[in-house]
Amino acid sequence: DIVMTQSPDSLAVSLGERATINCKSSQSVLYSPNKKNYLAWYQQKPRQPPKLLISWASTRESGVPDRFSGSGSGTDFALTISSLQAEDVAVYYCQQYYSTPPSFGQGTKLEIK
Amino acid sequence: EVQLVESGGGWVQPGGSLRLSCAASGFTFSSYSMNWVRQAPGKGPEWISYITSSSRNIYYGDSVKGRFTISRDNAKKSLFLQMNSLRAEDTAVYYCARDGADAGGQPYYFDYWGQGTLVTVSS
Repeated sequence: DIVMTQSPDSLAVSLGERATINCKSSQSVLYSPNKKNYLAWYQQKPRQPPKLLISWASTRESGVPDRFSGSGSGTDFALTISSLQAEDVAVYYCQQYYSTPPSFGQGTKLEIK
Repeated sequence: EVQLVESGGGWVQPGGSLRLSCAASGFTFSSYSMNWVRQAPGKGPEWISYITSSSRNIYYGDSVKGRFTISRDNAKKSLFLQMNSLRAEDTAVYYCARDGADAGGQPYYFDYWGQGTLVTVSS
């Protein structure tokens, strides 16, 4: 099974500043034939289900603000929020779907400094 | 608007059984693979089961294999999870989640989630 490890576990960033969350997979999630990375990012606010932000490592879902971006390939990925807004306070998870079982990182709690 | 509404959660003693349901609306249910994902208190999500649109392919996580059974009724736009031999470690919020990329008969990412139903296993 692929193990997903996020860093840091928690992060405090000032409003308007950049926030970056890292995600590392125990094996590559890049499928060479189609050159796609099988990696998604979710945002979870208290008492809500996770919300899909990004799939295929860098494809933003419809309606997700463009301050959210995903990058990386192979085993190392990042979610960047370019200018932190108050409503971005949440726990963020990465998830691989390269192989079954799909697996999530342990989460990164993002707070306002 | 896509909606997924889970029901059937509650308190059960260890060794007991529960059947969860998920009612879908706002999309062509019969065209999508579906998943169950759970989240224990204070923990990250854990995928537990997947079923293709036709029910041809079904997968389970190791933690529930042999105890849980996923099924669906496309005519009723409903997804189910029969949970037997429940353990304390099965305590979690259980989410029904639509598969975001129906390609290849394996679980991908989860583009829509229900609000979840809480299952508590305790004596």
